[in-house]
Amino acid sequence: QTVVTQEPSFSVSPGGTVTLTCGLSSGSVSTTYYPNWYQQTPGQAPRTLIYNTNTRSSGVPDRFSGSILGNKAALTITGAQADDESDYYCVLYMGSGISVFGGGTKLTVL
Amino acid sequence: QVQLQESGPGLVKPSQTLSLTCTVSGDSISSGTYYWSWIRQPAGKGLEWIGRIYTSGSAKYNPSLKSRVTISVDTSKNQFSLNLSSVTAADTAVYYCARTRNWNDFDSWGQGTLVTVSS
Repeated sequence: QTVVTQEPSFSVSPGGTVTLTCGLSSGSVSTTYYPNWYQQTPGQAPRTLIYNTNTRSSGVPDRFSGSILGNKAALTITGAQADDESDYYCVLYMGSGISVFGGGTKLTVL
Repeated sequence: QVQLQESGPGLVKPSQTLSLTCTVSGDSISSGTYYWSWIRQPAGKGLEWIGRIYTSGSAKYNPSLKSRVTISVDTSKNQFSLNLSSVTAADTAVYYCARTRNWNDFDSWGQGTLVTVSS
């Protein structure tokens, strides 16, 4: 089974820019995988940040953006804030009705 | 505003069947606009997609769980349910139900319910 890969952890300074990626153990991510990005803080259900590669969900600040970079989906946070410190998950649609989450990235803002 | 609420036993014995129900309010499952999904998260670990169902009853499952999972829908009660058979300690997790559009957009989530598998 194809594995969806994410960086286990990342660190960014307040006000800085960070790009988290979502790849495949075999092959390239494209828009046909409908990459979505979720943010989760401890004890809370995830919330949608980005859907369909690059569309921000309602109420999501515009410092969050989604794209395809090379062979991966990417989530970029421009001007990181302290409350962006969270776990971030991508999910890809593999076809035949199957979705697969990445392992998640723990983002530290310091 | 749609709300989803998971319910079911918080403790299940090994080898038994885990059964959860998600009650939807503020939206109608039978509208056909969305899929309805189950996702789980073991403590300290990542999210795992379990499966989804459409109002017609057509369901898709995670291949790694497919032999043990059944998701069903009851449109008269505006609920959908998860059954996971032959559970082990590895199935201990917070289980979430979620409204789903466009395959991967889990746009509304329940608060999650912890299910522990233990004798």
